[in-house]
Amino acid sequence: AQSVAQPEDQVNVAEGNPLTVKCTYSVSGNPYLFWYVQYPNRGLQFLLKYITGDNLVKGSYGFEAEFNKSQTSFHLKKPSALVSDSALYFCAVREGNQAGTALIFGKGTTLSVSS
Amino acid sequence: EPEVTQTPSHQVTQMGQEVILRCVPISNHLYFYWYRQILGQKVEFLVSFYNNEISEKSEIFDDQFSVERPDGSNFTLKIRSTKLEDSAMYFCASNRGQYNEQFFGPGTRLTVL
Repeated sequence: AQSVAQPEDQVNVAEGNPLTVKCTYSVSGNPYLFWYVQYPNRGLQFLLKYITGDNLVKGSYGFEAEFNKSQTSFHLKKPSALVSDSALYFCAVREGNQAGTALIFGKGTTLSVSS
Repeated sequence: EPEVTQTPSHQVTQMGQEVILRCVPISNHLYFYWYRQILGQKVEFLVSFYNNEISEKSEIFDDQFSVERPDGSNFTLKIRSTKLEDSAMYFCASNRGQYNEQFFGPGTRLTVL
């Protein structure tokens, strides 16, 4: 069965410092991996995805993620955090090569950036 | 920029009542989804819909739930007899195809009393 693990409930970082939000996955076939962000009382906003190709994926708002097949990880990174990055971040996976397949979400990691 | 819209933003209902949650997916999208998020928990998949039929559903999506695309633009989720545990935020999503990210609506907060 597909699954996603986000081992940290919360990540705290000072503004201007690099941030990493961790994600590992388990899927039987080729993984399609996604990061979404949720601000309070809002829906999920797409940040970036990995389907195939370069292991380093660049997305919205300066975020990037590195796909590591051997470690089955897809950690979200940003070189310099902003206070406005504070939000709830979800990693999600789906199995490739099948149309209309559900996303399986991790439990989410709250990112708190202090000024 | 096109977006997924959902109505109402908040629905309060009595246990046992029927509710219909409405969504308008992005117009050129072909795949439609419902997810729910119980307060403080992770987002859970309910159902996916393609070519006017359900393509996948989770164990949460039992006989009390149904989906419909009545008019080519709206996509609805019906809960026939609501339970207290149905209280959650319900998100609609859509995408163009299997390689594309899903775009989520702002959600409908359902409160069952």
